[in-house]
Amino acid sequence: GAVVSQHPSWVICKSGTSVKIECRSLDFQATTMFWYRQFPKQSLMLMATSNEGSKATYEQGVEKDKFLINHASLTLSTLTVTSAHPEDSSFYICSAREVRVVAFGSGTRLTVV
Amino acid sequence: KQEVTQIPAALSVPEGENLVLNCSFTDSAIYNLQWFRQDPGKGLTSLLLIQSSQREQTSGRLNASLDKSSGRSTLYIVASQPGDSATYLCAASTDSWGKLQFGAGTQVVVTP
Repeated sequence: GAVVSQHPSWVICKSGTSVKIECRSLDFQATTMFWYRQFPKQSLMLMATSNEGSKATYEQGVEKDKFLINHASLTLSTLTVTSAHPEDSSFYICSAREVRVVAFGSGTRLTVV
Repeated sequence: KQEVTQIPAALSVPEGENLVLNCSFTDSAIYNLQWFRQDPGKGLTSLLLIQSSQREQTSGRLNASLDKSSGRSTLYIVASQPGDSATYLCAASTDSWGKLQFGAGTQVVVTP
């Protein structure tokens, strides 16, 4: 139980384009999902908390207009990196809370060229 | 703000040795603490979850302890194997909603 699917697993895009990453809870409903970012050799840093049906809560220093989060249903949250630049290249990973268990997606490796 | 530190940053041991990974946190008012494994370029695999009311959790060759008063958790891996090579992350949660504060991880290499 508590399986989270994240898609795509890797993506390469040109600078200036937008990229959408999906996070789905497969066997449970997740009212809250979290988006993290991980730079090479560093730990995961929380970017935002995504709540179904309401606006996401962003951590300090994270540009909400650049990292658009939508949580339109209880099983799907999306992160869109708008006007991506090389410095946005990173590993993005989502997690979803189901009662007392937090499950993680497998991550998305974004490379902006 | 909760800060989580992991020492050492990297560790290399021969196969068969026991592993001891340390995690410290600054705010003792945690809801729970988790240990994860991350393989290169991959997502996270949850290893052990210790609730704030617990002192330790065990799963197979893995044992994790929690001492809230000193702000420490330790992950023990008995009789290490090459397949244990990975980065191990600890993460503390200060609420029930699932928001985690991660340490930077300990990269483990077990040599045959």
